[in-house]
Amino acid sequence: DAGVTQSPTHLIKTRGQQVTLRCSPKSGHDTVSWYQQALGQGPQFIFQYYEEEERQRGNFPDRFSGHQFPNYSSELNVNALLLGDSALYLCASSLGTGADNEQFFGPGTRLTVL
Amino acid sequence: GQQLNQSPQSMFIQEGEDVSMNCTSSSIFNTWLWYKQDPGEGPVLLIALYKAGELTSNGRLTAQFGITRKDSFLNISASIPSDVGIYFCAGQLMVDDKIIFGKGTRLHILP
Repeated sequence: DAGVTQSPTHLIKTRGQQVTLRCSPKSGHDTVSWYQQALGQGPQFIFQYYEEEERQRGNFPDRFSGHQFPNYSSELNVNALLLGDSALYLCASSLGTGADNEQFFGPGTRLTVL
Repeated sequence: GQQLNQSPQSMFIQEGEDVSMNCTSSSIFNTWLWYKQDPGEGPVLLIALYKAGELTSNGRLTAQFGITRKDSFLNISASIPSDVGIYFCAGQLMVDDKIIFGKGTRLHILP
């Protein structure tokens, strides 16, 4: 039973570019949440997808957008990259949307913006 | 904005010692979660707390949901080398159900 997988593992982009990160949830899970983790910080909630809709959103600008596909996999898109977008991007999946539904995290995608 | 104050920021202990860390906030939470993150991996859930005053154990780990709903602590007894890592508290805000994380406690075990 594969856990949460994310691709790519590492990515280097330059300012102004756009990036797409991908996440496959744990088998049987229908909810995907995305987090940004800057170096030395805790994860910060970006948004959550359920039934292909953005259900909840953290304090991130519209440059951050996402999508959930019918097979529950998800993408995170970031436009007009800034240096401050450099971080580890974590995907977490769960069965259901509540905090009492355990979230399983993937290993993350390390994004470096030069 | 809402934030969690997690302390200590780092700890250096001897193997076999007990460890205590905590999170406090001015906000009210309806769920507290404690995670451990190892290098190159995502956080892994250790303990979840859903009721004020709740005390829950998971092996050598014990965590409590503060009675005011604004704080939580995690204790690790008889530490072992594999306890090394970063521990995060996270809480689900009562006001909007969003989950926020503390900045982590980095645990080091001295040889």
